[in-house]
Amino acid sequence: EIVLTQSPATLSLSPGETATLSCRASQSVSSFLAWYQQKPGQAPRLLIYDASNRATGIPPRFSGSVSGTDFTLTISSIEPEDFAVYYCQHRANWPSLTFGGGTKVEIK
Amino acid sequence: QVQLQESGPRVVKPSETLSLTCTVSGGSIGCDYCYWSWVRQTPGKGLEWVGYISASGSGDQNPSLKRRLTISPDTSKNQFSLNLSSVTAADTATYYCARVKWEVLDYWGQGILVTVSS
Repeated sequence: EIVLTQSPATLSLSPGETATLSCRASQSVSSFLAWYQQKPGQAPRLLIYDASNRATGIPPRFSGSVSGTDFTLTISSIEPEDFAVYYCQHRANWPSLTFGGGTKVEIK
Repeated sequence: QVQLQESGPRVVKPSETLSLTCTVSGGSIGCDYCYWSWVRQTPGKGLEWVGYISASGSGDQNPSLKRRLTISPDTSKNQFSLNLSSVTAADTATYYCARVKWEVLDYWGQGILVTVSS
């Protein structure tokens, strides 16, 4: 079974800085990885699918990339509303769905 | 715009069955390549996939819950449901319903907190 490991667990940044979040798969996987944002008291929201495609309405400061088993979510010039928890998800264990443990992006 | 809304009891007694319904609006549960999923989140923790179902009744469930879990579609009401039997305090969580399309959860309900308590 493929495991997704997200790092760091917490990222402390000031508005305007760049956030780099990692999601590493335990073995080789396809690029069908998604990223979600969850704010307190809200449901997760789809940000990125297929590793690098932004979902509808997601601003261009959010970008995704992949290199081997390492997936990266980058938030350029982070804004106050971007402070949240971010999860990655992959279909590698399809028909099961797998989530990473999450990265909390907090205000420094 | 697809919208999902969870409903059901917010308190369930230990050993009883947790039953939730997700009502879908703005789209049909019979849409192409669509599955309908439940995801839960224990307080302060991460996301756990529970299971999903298609309108035709095909789907899959988290192996750790499979023995206690039933997920069913109701195409006449454009709904799908979750039944989790023999609940314990460990099943206390916020339960989200969501649409799965191309293995991505693209629309989510707001979630419902269910507490297992006597």
